[in-house]
Amino acid sequence: GEDVEQSLFLSVREGDSSVINCTYTDSSSTYLYWYKQEPGAGLQLLTYIFSNMDMKQDQRLTVLLNKKDKHLSLRIADTQTGDSAIYFCADPHTGRRALTFGSGTRLQVQP
Amino acid sequence: SQTIHQWPATLVQPVGSPLSLECTVEGTSNPNLYWYRQAAGRGLQLLFYSVGIGQISSEVPQNLSASRPQDRQFILSSKKLLLSDSGFYLCAWSITGSVNSPLHFGNGTRLTVT
Repeated sequence: GEDVEQSLFLSVREGDSSVINCTYTDSSSTYLYWYKQEPGAGLQLLTYIFSNMDMKQDQRLTVLLNKKDKHLSLRIADTQTGDSAIYFCADPHTGRRALTFGSGTRLQVQP
Repeated sequence: SQTIHQWPATLVQPVGSPLSLECTVEGTSNPNLYWYRQAAGRGLQLLFYSVGIGQISSEVPQNLSASRPQDRQFILSSKKLLLSDSGFYLCAWSITGSVNSPLHFGNGTRLTVT
């Protein structure tokens, strides 16, 4: 399988919580990242988690890391229409020169 | 603070024409520089990376080349564009020396080859 996998699409209603999931293969990563890409724009670093943490909260964002299962998730509380974007998780894969990105999850927020 | 500039924002070029996309970084020295391509608004494909002036590594064989004539300048080129070169091209930088450091992206160039 791919080094970093994500589901392709998620649709939620405004005000609900969104959970975007990611699985990775390289267990030696020090940090794992979440990026946000709005239409027609570059990727914006959204948040990250250090590999010795299980959870990190930053305002409406909560990152959960399960190292045993190599599973990373991003929870967005009180999802707004402005959160509609593609979300990428990224893993500094051993032996690679740059972050390895998942294929991205398109989040659609319905009013 | 560090900033990254990419231009042009959009470009329409005929098949067989040359290409030059430019990227510059401000506010940091000796960054690692990267060119990515994103097809159909989805996954990112690493094309080139550079750890210093004149040092370019290619990740995939292709019709494109990259150059780094100055510390904070990264150029993506082609002598003759193909239809398959259409896509969204992203330049990025990271601090030198660590593959764990995050990438910081420019706003991208939308290239359409007709």
